Amino acid sequence: SQTIHQWPATLVQPVGSPLSLECTVEGTSNPNLYWYRQAAGRGLQLLFYSIGIGQISSEVPQNLSASRPQDRQFILSSKKLLLSDSGFYLCAWSVQSFGTSNQPQHFGDGTRLSIL
Amino acid sequence: QKEVEQDPGPLSVPEGAIVSLNCTYSNSAFQYFMWYRQYSRKGPELLMYTYSSGNKEDGRFTAQVDKSSKYISLFIRDSQPSDSATYLCAMRLIKAAGNKLTFGGGTRVLVKP
Repeated sequence: SQTIHQWPATLVQPVGSPLSLECTVEGTSNPNLYWYRQAAGRGLQLLFYSIGIGQISSEVPQNLSASRPQDRQFILSSKKLLLSDSGFYLCAWSVQSFGTSNQPQHFGDGTRLSIL
Repeated sequence: QKEVEQDPGPLSVPEGAIVSLNCTYSNSAFQYFMWYRQYSRKGPELLMYTYSSGNKEDGRFTAQVDKSSKYISLFIRDSQPSDSATYLCAMRLIKAAGNKLTFGGGTRVLVKP
């Protein structure tokens, strides 16, 4: 079976510090990978997605970047964190599908990021 | 106007009652519909997904899609306190780039013993 791991679960960082959040998936090959942010009491905002190694699509211009150095590894980074970067960051994966096949997304348990 | 609208709640019901949740959407091209359950401080968990219109039942859960009205529903029968969570609807175009989903904002549900 497939599993998705995110770490750390909680992170407190000062403004202006760098960030690196990591996500890995096991039990599948060539998945689609996603980074979302969820503000308190709000829905999910897609930040980045990737359909393959080194292929990153950005949905929202911001202070963050993403990389996919290996097939099942997805990294969210920032060089200098802002107060507005606080939130709950979720990684997700799905099987790649084409045409009419539905492949839902499956989520990790997230990283709660607080910027002080 | 958001593409997918969902009442944020909270929706409070007594244990054993039927929980009725719904989402409306504006893009008639959506073809795949999903419901996720999210407990506090956890990631969303897929509950059900359906394609196009119709009903789908899984245990205590029933999902309905009415494409003509651009309206989807989730019903939870015999609700339990463990059903207390936020429920998110999500939908997808038939050929969405990267299988991207569009989410509603979520409805918080409280089931009181």
